[in-house]
Amino acid sequence: AQTVTQSQPEMSVQEAETVTLSCTYDTSESDYYLFWYKQPPSRQMILVIRQEAYKQQNATENRFSVNFQKAAKSFSLKISDSQLGDAAMYFCAYRSLTQGGSEKLVFGKGTKLTVNP
Amino acid sequence: GAGVSQSPSNKVTEKGKDVELRCDPISGHTALYWYRQSLGQGLEFLIYFQGNSAPDKSGLPSDRFSAERTGGSVSTLTIQRTQQEDSAVYLCASSPRRNTGELFFGEGSRLTVL
Repeated sequence: AQTVTQSQPEMSVQEAETVTLSCTYDTSESDYYLFWYKQPPSRQMILVIRQEAYKQQNATENRFSVNFQKAAKSFSLKISDSQLGDAAMYFCAYRSLTQGGSEKLVFGKGTKLTVNP
Repeated sequence: GAGVSQSPSNKVTEKGKDVELRCDPISGHTALYWYRQSLGQGLEFLIYFQGNSAPDKSGLPSDRFSAERTGGSVSTLTIQRTQQEDSAVYLCASSPRRNTGELFFGEGSRLTVL
């Protein structure tokens, strides 16, 4: 079974600075998606960024970018120019694309990000 | 509606009572998921629907938990004989079709069992 590990329960960053959240995963599959989701205090999970494993190019979405290292099974999220609104729980998630594989997302335990003014 | 709607938003019940949690997915979304989030924990998968079928119900923690989906739309998660360890936020998500990966989440139903 696939597992997702987020080794940083909490992180903090100064407003306008850059922060990197870590995620590693364990799988024997070659085809999959990886995601970062954000959960603000309102509880609603929002997709931040997605990476297809077959793509070598790292995904970017405005101030958010990932460092995807397939061989190392590492998928970190970099937030540039941090804003107060970035404060939230961030979850890394894995989804199999293997034929016959589960279609569920497997989540890590999350990293709580605090942004200091 | 525009997003995934869950009700009730908050539910307080006594140990041993049954509860029903409802999820109304985004119109046209064929896949529907239930997750459980306990305090300070990540998201624990419960069950996944494709249409009205549940190809993966491996995460249901016990036979006290059941879920159904009707008309390819609304889903109900039922917990019978609730226990204190069932206290958590129950999140529902939907997805427009297979293999897109992205899930659209509701705001969850917070269940407190006294």
